[in-house]
Amino acid sequence: DAGVIQSPRHEVTEMGQEVTLRCKPISGHDYLFWYRQTMMRGLELLIYFNNNVPIDDSGMPEDRFSAKMPNASFSTLKIQPSEPRDSAVYFCASGHSPSTDTQYFGPGTRLTVL
Amino acid sequence: AQKITQTQPGMFVQEKEAVTLDCTYDTSDQSYGLFWYKQPSSGEMIFLIYQGSYDEQNATEGRYSLNFQKARKSANLVISASQLGDSAMYFCAMRERGNTPLVFGKGTRLSVIA
Repeated sequence: DAGVIQSPRHEVTEMGQEVTLRCKPISGHDYLFWYRQTMMRGLELLIYFNNNVPIDDSGMPEDRFSAKMPNASFSTLKIQPSEPRDSAVYFCASGHSPSTDTQYFGPGTRLTVL
Repeated sequence: AQKITQTQPGMFVQEKEAVTLDCTYDTSDQSYGLFWYKQPSSGEMIFLIYQGSYDEQNATEGRYSLNFQKARKSANLVISASQLGDSAMYFCAMRERGNTPLVFGKGTRLSVIA
């Protein structure tokens, strides 16, 4: 079975550039989560979707961040313009409600903004 | 207040010995789930074990077991017969009220010594 797929795995960009991170959840999962991991703040939720609808985006740092889920098999997280403080590992996770409680994580995208 | 507390930033264990990683949580919900994830140096988040708040038995998955003490609000991970490949960061997490996002602790770095 394919797990959560994220691309790219690594991204290096310059300050001010637009960055788009992509995620394909596990087929059949109706929840999708975007998390960010940094040394200072640990793992924190950015936004999550249920049946392609954003439910809670209170973790999105500011207007430079946006996320979409146009269909059940694809989501994007966009940062425009990017800043050095956005450097982090971005994880996408998916889960199936209500019977399965586990959230499965993708391999993450390591973003470096110079 | 922190929802998940992992008091051990780092732990060492001898190969083939058992080790306990501590996790305490804070919630007023009656229904919640507790998770442990492993993050090796390669960066991916690997689901290890899950305990539901209504589960009467402690969860076990191979060499992993969860010592769930509801009254103390603790959910310690026990790894038996440690292997060198167990060296990694370990995160405790909690989910409250349905499939809402996970809240993570700061993690414990486990080092297994030959």
